[in-house]
Amino acid sequence: SSVLTQPPSVSVAPGKTARITCGGNNIGSKSVHWYQQKPGQAPVLVIYYDSDRPSGIPERFSGSNSGNTATLTISRVEAGDEADYYCQVWDSTSDHYVFGTGTKVTVL
Amino acid sequence: QVQLVESGGGVVQPGRSLRLSCAASGFTFSSYGMHWVRQAPGKGLEWVAVISFDGSNLSYADSVKGRFTISRDNSKNTLYLQMNSLRAEDTAVYYCAKYFEDDISGPFDSWGQGTLVTVSS
Repeated sequence: SSVLTQPPSVSVAPGKTARITCGGNNIGSKSVHWYQQKPGQAPVLVIYYDSDRPSGIPERFSGSNSGNTATLTISRVEAGDEADYYCQVWDSTSDHYVFGTGTKVTVL
Repeated sequence: QVQLVESGGGVVQPGRSLRLSCAASGFTFSSYGMHWVRQAPGKGLEWVAVISFDGSNLSYADSVKGRFTISRDNSKNTLYLQMNSLRAEDTAVYYCAKYFEDDISGPFDSWGQGTLVTVSS
């Protein structure tokens, strides 16, 4: 199965931009989805199919995917963005779904 | 709106069985595939199993294959996870999640609040 590697943590000041990477072999050929999970809560989909945003998700959240890296970008970071973020793909070779290792975003 | 409510979690001894349920509402349950995803305490998300809209296609993570069985009853709008031969490492919050449209590579677009399973003697 695919292995998706994320940085364990990212720290960012309010109003600045946070970038969370998701590394995987030729991930650019797959559809990548991103989830936000706050403590004690279920995950919430924030970006799907690399760069689409579900209704209700602020435009500050955006995504990109190319080569061996997918990126979730949070612009104008707010205190409420503090959470764990996970990338996810479907691995057609194994017919399994794979989550990234997760990144904790801390707002300074 | 979509609502998914898990139940059936609890404390169980190693080697025993447990069945989780996920009651769905707010959408046409029989038209969507469904997943189970788990999260061990303090750890990341781990996909467990998926079932197609009609129950004809199933897939499992290697860590649970042969021990867990995913099923559904579309007449009751309910998803199940039968867990046998439980191990300490199965301790986790178990979430059910809904397919996005009819795309196997699509996201998990709605999640329940989860039910905690603790495997301990």
